Amino acid sequence: DQQVKQNSPSLSVQEGRISILNCDYTNSMFDYFLWYKKYPAEGPTFLISISSIKDKNEDGRFTVFLNKSAKHLSLHIVPSQPGDSAVYFCAASAGGTSYGKLTFGQGTILTVHP
Amino acid sequence: DGGITQSPKYLFRKEGQNVTLSCEQNLNHDAMYWYRQDPGQGLRLIYYSQIVNDFQKGDIAEGYSVSREKKESFPLTVTSAQKNPTAFYLCASSIRTGTNEKLFFGSGTQLSVL
Repeated sequence: DQQVKQNSPSLSVQEGRISILNCDYTNSMFDYFLWYKKYPAEGPTFLISISSIKDKNEDGRFTVFLNKSAKHLSLHIVPSQPGDSAVYFCAASAGGTSYGKLTFGQGTILTVHP
Repeated sequence: DGGITQSPKYLFRKEGQNVTLSCEQNLNHDAMYWYRQDPGQGLRLIYYSQIVNDFQKGDIAEGYSVSREKKESFPLTVTSAQKNPTAFYLCASSIRTGTNEKLFFGSGTQLSVL
């Protein structure tokens, strides 16, 4: 049972344009969401997070939007740069006794073309 | 500088052999985790430890064992009972900030079966 889903395995965008990565979840207990970026043969690095009490969080070129009623979140990267090319994972946590236990999506491969 | 160190980077296992993956952190984090990544899939939790001398099974603990004798160290043993061990293994640690977690990952160990 995949509780966190990233339905697009890959996304290709032109440098300078917007990249939108999507993530859907099914568990209503999830209250904290994160995005990680991963290069091949390396560990994921934290990008941005959002608590369920918010619907938007912004950090530089990265903005995460949360739609709780639709159980959907998205990561916007504006403007996209070639160095953003990587695998992006969304992750969710239920907090409480799930302390630190993240459930990850399958990942989306983002390619930004110069 | 502070971080999470995983070793070795690449590891090969023979049939029937147990192998141990090392994970050390100097971030003074209380919690540590082991995740497994398979191609085209998200990260899946194997084991986690919130405090020294205590650890809990994750979603796919069968065929694995861990120990947490020191705060800094959380080694993972892949036993011969794990029939499909080939994967990329990631160790992570976290410190709770407020009510939410952010995991920091090591650079991973690629385990292959000979």
